[in-house]
Amino acid sequence: DTGVSQNPRHKITKRGQNVTFRCDPISEHNRLYWYRQTLGQGPEFLTYFQNEAQLEKSRLLSDRFSAERPKGSFSTLEIQRTEQGDSAMYLCASSLAGIGNEQFFGPGTRLTVL
Amino acid sequence: KNQVEQSPQSLIILEGKNCTLQCNYTVSPFSNLRWYKQDTGRGPVSLTIMTFSENTKSNGRYTATLDADTKQSSLHITASQLSDSASYICVVTLASNTGKLIFGQGTTLQVKP
Repeated sequence: DTGVSQNPRHKITKRGQNVTFRCDPISEHNRLYWYRQTLGQGPEFLTYFQNEAQLEKSRLLSDRFSAERPKGSFSTLEIQRTEQGDSAMYLCASSLAGIGNEQFFGPGTRLTVL
Repeated sequence: KNQVEQSPQSLIILEGKNCTLQCNYTVSPFSNLRWYKQDTGRGPVSLTIMTFSENTKSNGRYTATLDADTKQSSLHITASQLSDSASYICVVTLASNTGKLIFGQGTTLQVKP
C-alpha cells in the first residue's frame, strides 16, 4: 500500500496521560500536514512540514502539542497531559510542494480521552 | 475571513434517488475547489477538483459545478447507492505556497434502501 498510513488507528487514554501518533506519508511527498477533526465538523489545520522543517502552526496547537518530522519522512504528533477536549480524529495528509497540489489523507487516529 | 459554508448539514434519501449538495465560499486567493468523500472513521478522499476556469467536472455518478462569480459550488449525485452514505466535504485551496486548505463542515448523507 503506497498511501498515507497512520498508527495507531484508535487510542483510548486516561486524562493526564501522554499519547503519540505516527504518520507515514506517501514516500515522494515532501509536505506533511496534521489536522484535527471533531464529530460533525470538517478537519481543522494544526501544523505542516516541508521536509523536516515545521513551517506553520495553528493557534489550536497549544503548548501541550508537539509535532516532529526528524528525517523529512514520517512524522509524530505528541499530546502531553491529555484533556477530554482533545478527543477527536487526528488526520495526517501529504502532498508535493506547490500551489494547488492535492493532499492525500491517511485513515486517521481516533483519540478518546476518558 | 476565509470561510466555506455547506448545506444542508445532513440529508437522507432513498436508494436510487438523486441529490445535490451546496457549497458557498469566501476564500482569497483561490486556487481550486475539491469535493471530498469521507466514510465514517476514515480519511477524506478527493472526488473532483475544479480550478477557477472550470465550471463542471464529473467522476462517475458525481458531478461538481463551480460558479466562480457567485463563489458557489454544488455536488450532484445521480442514482444514489447505499455506499454513497458518507460525509461530503467542500474544500478550497488557497493560492499560496503553503497549500493551505479551507474546509467546509461537511454534509452527512444517508442513503436508505
